[in-house]
Amino acid sequence: DAGVTQSPTHLIKTRGQQVTLRCSPKSGHDTVSWYQQALGQGPQFIFQYYEEEERQRGNFPDRFSGHQFPNYSSELNVNALLLGDSALYLCASSLEQGTVYGYTFGSGTRLTVV
Amino acid sequence: GNSVTQMEGPVTLSEEAFLTINCTYTATGYPSLFWYVQYPGEGLQLLLKATKADDKGSNKGFEATYRKETTSFHLEKGSVQVSDSAVYFCALRGRGSTLGRLYFGRGTQLTVWP
Repeated sequence: DAGVTQSPTHLIKTRGQQVTLRCSPKSGHDTVSWYQQALGQGPQFIFQYYEEEERQRGNFPDRFSGHQFPNYSSELNVNALLLGDSALYLCASSLEQGTVYGYTFGSGTRLTVV
Repeated sequence: GNSVTQMEGPVTLSEEAFLTINCTYTATGYPSLFWYVQYPGEGLQLLLKATKADDKGSNKGFEATYRKETTSFHLEKGSVQVSDSAVYFCALRGRGSTLGRLYFGRGTQLTVWP
């Protein structure tokens, strides 16, 4: 049974560019959450998608946006990239917003902004 | 608001030594508490959890007890192995308007020498 799949695994972008990261949740999960993990820090919550809607949002600017598709997969988009956006981006999937059986994390996308 | 304060690392131990990683939290009500582990180049894996006061989570020789009185969830293991070398994150799951969102500590790097 495949877990959470994220693509790409690594990415290098230039300041000011836009990037799209993708996440396929674990089979049977309907909720996707995105986290940003800066080097040496704990993951910070970006937002959560459930039933194709953004249900919660952390303290991130509007440059960060997302989408959930009918098959529950999700995308994270970041516009006007800054050097400070360099981080590991983690996707976590769950059932019913994580209130039931917890979360499964992907291995992440390492984004480097130069 | 919700937050997690975690013992700063790095922690370096010899094999078979006793491990304690301290974690305290601030939250409204009684959150669920988690310990996650992150091996190099990988995402987060759930190590153990506790959902109410006095619950003890345990897995792979690791234990943590939910202490409401001291708002703590310290991680312990009686005899560490080289394979336990990783980064450990304490986390809580919010309630109410932040239901389903995880709040993480900064992580503690553990290195175990043979």
